[in-house]
Amino acid sequence: DGGITQSPKYLFRKEGQNVTLSCEQNLNHDAMYWYRQDPGQGLRLIYYSQIVNDFQKGDIAEGYSVSREKKESFPLTVTSAQKNPTAFYLCASTKGTGWTGELFFGEGSRLTVL
Amino acid sequence: DQQVKQNSPSLSVQEGRISILNCDYTNSMFDYFLWYKKYPAEGPTFLISISSIKDKNEDGRFTVFLNKSAKHLSLHIVPSQPGDSAVYFCAASAFTSNGGATNKLIFGTGTLLAVQP
Repeated sequence: DGGITQSPKYLFRKEGQNVTLSCEQNLNHDAMYWYRQDPGQGLRLIYYSQIVNDFQKGDIAEGYSVSREKKESFPLTVTSAQKNPTAFYLCASTKGTGWTGELFFGEGSRLTVL
Repeated sequence: DQQVKQNSPSLSVQEGRISILNCDYTNSMFDYFLWYKKYPAEGPTFLISISSIKDKNEDGRFTVFLNKSAKHLSLHIVPSQPGDSAVYFCAASAFTSNGGATNKLIFGTGTLLAVQP
């Protein structure tokens, strides 16, 4: 079945460590996104990529980095520079041109910094 | 600055009754709106959308109403069912000059709907 796979589902890290969250899609979608969900703040856009080897900062990109070397993959690295990394992270994808607004989301990764 | 606002964090409704979830926006450039439904520990799933050329869009038990002059939209669920209990997010986007929606959605903070049996 086509879909978006995020891993790991739960992740713990110590302060000062970088961590990479995986996102893979087999929907043949051009665009991929990373959102962060915090209680009472909805979903906020971290980074997005509309095509391979290209990506743009979202509203809260500081302390994060991404790469888009393959169409299917859009990993997110949470660096030690991110001041408040504990959150629920959601990856999404959509078709590129002719997009109607529907994002397809993965099941999310919950990161907890100890 | 919250461009998309859902002022009710939670709503409780009896099974069979109507659920009305509200959403307000401030950016007049938004002209495409979507509702997403989210269960705990899962990703949101698309529910229904509406563009600014319409004031109503219906899909089964779900209807979205758009009032552009008031910058307000609402989602009606009739009749409400216990399985509808979830967090509902309103999201907004703007059309690009070539007619497609931009690839960037702005989400509201969500409303937790509880449908009581």
